[in-house]
Amino acid sequence: SQQGEEDPQALSIQEGENATMNCSYKTSINNLQWYRQNSGRGLVHLILIRSNEREKHSGRLRVTLDTSKKSSSLLITASRAADTASYFCATSPYQGGKLIFGQGTELSVKP
Amino acid sequence: DVKVTQSSRYLVKRTGEKVFLECVQDMDHENMFWYRQDPGLGLRLIYFSYDVKMKEKGDIPEGYSVSREKKERFSLILESASTNQTSMYLCASSSVGQGHTDTQYFGPGTRLTVL
Repeated sequence: SQQGEEDPQALSIQEGENATMNCSYKTSINNLQWYRQNSGRGLVHLILIRSNEREKHSGRLRVTLDTSKKSSSLLITASRAADTASYFCATSPYQGGKLIFGQGTELSVKP
Repeated sequence: DVKVTQSSRYLVKRTGEKVFLECVQDMDHENMFWYRQDPGLGLRLIYFSYDVKMKEKGDIPEGYSVSREKKERFSLILESASTNQTSMYLCASSSVGQGHTDTQYFGPGTRLTVL
């Protein structure tokens, strides 16, 4: 079952611009994670935000979480062509369990 | 660094063949997962295992079985491959317990084509 829904499905920007992707989910969560997937490869974990956190930073990544709206956003600042990939949010309903992945946002950063 | 390896990057099989996809992780993780990924459908969980010889069905287990005889290895078996099982198959592992989150570490994927 798919819980996370990403928006937009596809995003095309110029190098240097910021990219914002959104994720909505349906049930309560223990944490929410963002992953990146380069074309034809496996997923790579980017960042995790716990349900009691509102914002988290890692390098050029900024994640926010609004549990009242059941939504999260991933901001990539000063994007680079190498950021071109698909980005997935994944929710963890409880510690030690499965992750539920959204369908992803396909980001294209043009040089 | 955690390393998850999958036995093949590309695989071509014929309808009706028995297919084995192998996944090995080197970080002593308790949990292992098999997903398939199709355009427009995202990642769908086929099976997961939280311990040796333990398995649980995911969202789409039909037509698949799994085996976990050793902690580091999780095998996905297609008993009789069909064309609708043509897909990208992703294996992942994660650790549980205090101090660990549910972060999953993925292998590079196996693109299976069934003719």
